[in-house]
Amino acid sequence: KAGVTQTPRYLIKTRGQQVTLSCSPISGHRSVSWYQQTPGQGLQFLFEYFSETQRNKGNFPGRFSGRQFSNSRSEMNVSTLELGDSALYLCASRGTGAYEQYFGPGTRLTVT
Amino acid sequence: EDKVVQSPLSLVVHEGDTVTLNCSYEVTNFRSLLWYKQEKKAPTFLFMLTSSGIEKKSGRLSSILDKKELFSILNITATQTGDSAVYLCACHAGGTSYGKLTFGQGTILTVHP
Repeated sequence: KAGVTQTPRYLIKTRGQQVTLSCSPISGHRSVSWYQQTPGQGLQFLFEYFSETQRNKGNFPGRFSGRQFSNSRSEMNVSTLELGDSALYLCASRGTGAYEQYFGPGTRLTVT
Repeated sequence: EDKVVQSPLSLVVHEGDTVTLNCSYEVTNFRSLLWYKQEKKAPTFLFMLTSSGIEKKSGRLSSILDKKELFSILNITATQTGDSAVYLCACHAGGTSYGKLTFGQGTILTVHP
């Protein structure tokens, strides 16, 4: 089974721009969660999508949004980028009823 | 607010040593505790623990959960340089915490030859 894939792997953006990151879950997994990882804050939960619906959201501003498509692929969007948004963005998928999440390789976002 | 705390934050050992990593938690409606290993990029899943006192083992790694004292340990025996990584502990809660894992800060393990 192919693992979780994320694109792009690296991104450099300027303050004020917006960015869209993509995540394809493991085949058959309908739940996709997104996390932000920084040296200071560690891994923090952004949101979770299941069957195209956002079911849970972390404590991030409204500039962070996401969506999920009918094939379970998910996108995350960050608008009006700030320097503090520089981070590794990880997505993870899990099977229905399971607790364990499987992570993708991440997208390294640098905001200058 | 749910909280997961790992100790030590970093550890340096030599090949062949045995290490014990600790994870304590305060999580409302706790359901499971998970251990991950993160080398360069993606955290890779190691164990999931839901019941107290039942040891999970995979090769030289083992883990156990104590739901009364709210902690878990991850043991690595006969360490190798390939075990060098950040080890992350995370908790999953029930209720409306769909898909949310609360992570600890991680333990950075360095194994010298």
